Parts: sequence; structure tokens; C-alpha cells
Amino acid sequence: GENVEQHPSTLSVQEGDSAVIKCTYSDSASNYFPWYKQELGKRPQLIIDIRSNVGEKKDQRIAVTLNKTAKHFSLHITETQPEDSAVYFCAAPLWGQNFVFGPGTRLSVLP
Amino acid sequence: KAGVTQTPRYLIKTRGQQVTLSCSPISGHRSVSWYQQTPGQGLQFLFEYFSETQRNKGNFPGRFSGRQFSNSRSEMNVSTLELGDSALYLCASSLAETGEGYEQYFGPGTRLTVT
Repeated sequence: GENVEQHPSTLSVQEGDSAVIKCTYSDSASNYFPWYKQELGKRPQLIIDIRSNVGEKKDQRIAVTLNKTAKHFSLHITETQPEDSAVYFCAAPLWGQNFVFGPGTRLSVLP
Repeated sequence: KAGVTQTPRYLIKTRGQQVTLSCSPISGHRSVSWYQQTPGQGLQFLFEYFSETQRNKGNFPGRFSGRQFSNSRSEMNVSTLELGDSALYLCASSLAETGEGYEQYFGPGTRLTVT
């Protein structure tokens, strides 16, 4: 079945720096990869996603890149701000709407 | 559009009891998925319902069940509660007409504590 690894588990950056979180997946048939942000005590919020027919997608300070050959995808946050501090989860579909989530990365943006 | 809503938000139950959680999806979404979130196991898929039918199921015991109504609202039930069932239960709704690769939007969750 699908297995999703996520690194690093914790990440601290200075405000204004960039942050990169990487996920690897095992099922080569996976075709949709979302990223979620979860602030303390709140619901996971979909922040960006990418489909397997594109290599990169950008939305303001957030971008996701996908390398199908290597089976990994990464979240890039530029010009980080304190409000970016949260736990970030990647996911890959096992089948249908059954998503396997990575273990999460706790991002801390230091002022 | 209103977002995904879940009730109740918090629940305390005793071992051996049963519990029913409710989820109302975004208007127009017919797919509702349920997830269990714990610090140790992360986010784990329970099951998905689409048009009142269970379409996918994760690796959870039969004590966990669900259903979906004609208005797409969904309920999940956990019988014979165990201490390990303490978790945040999240539902997510999606258009997911074909079941493949649609955006899921999460509700606020129900925090279940079993004592």
C-alpha cells in the first residue's frame, strides 16, 4: 500500500527566510498530492495541491514541486512570517478519496 | 458557502459506551470522509461515503461504522469504546464524483475523550 514519509519533523526558520518540507511516496500510480496546514486547535486547511501532470504550482509565497520519477514532492514557503507557524501535512491517495498522510512537520517561524 | 461542520465539538465518554458523531458537508459535496487524528498515529483514514454508499474503508475494527443520508450529512458511530479511541475525529467533504484526486475540506473535528 501507499507509504508517505515526510521530512523534517520539525523546522525552525527566521522570519523572512524560506522553508522547505519534503515528502516521498511509494505508489507510482498516485496522481494528486495536497498539502495541509494545521494550526494549534484548528482544522487542517488545504493550502495547495498538485496533480501528476504538472511539475510545479505556485500560489503567492507557497509553491509545490513534484518529481514523479523520484516519487517525491516538496512544499516551499518563501518570505516566512510568524503566522506561517503550524504543522504541515502532505498526503497521497491510496485509492479514491482514501488519503495517506505524512506524519507532519512542525514549522516555527522565529521573529 | 458554509464550510464543513461537525457536532458535537467535544465529548467525554466512558469505556464500553458508544458514541455517534455528525458531519455536515459543504453544500453540493456528496463525498464525506472520516479520519482519526492522534499524536501517536497521525491522521488515519476511517471510511468514505458517497451518495449514501460506503465507497472506501480503512483499517479500523468493525466497532467503527458510519452512514450517510440523502442530504449528504454523515454520521459515524463507535461502539464499545476503548481508551485508545480517544482522538480528534475529523470529517472532510469533497466533490469527488469519480472518487479520484479531489480537494478535501475538513471540518473542525470532534474531540472524543474516553475515560
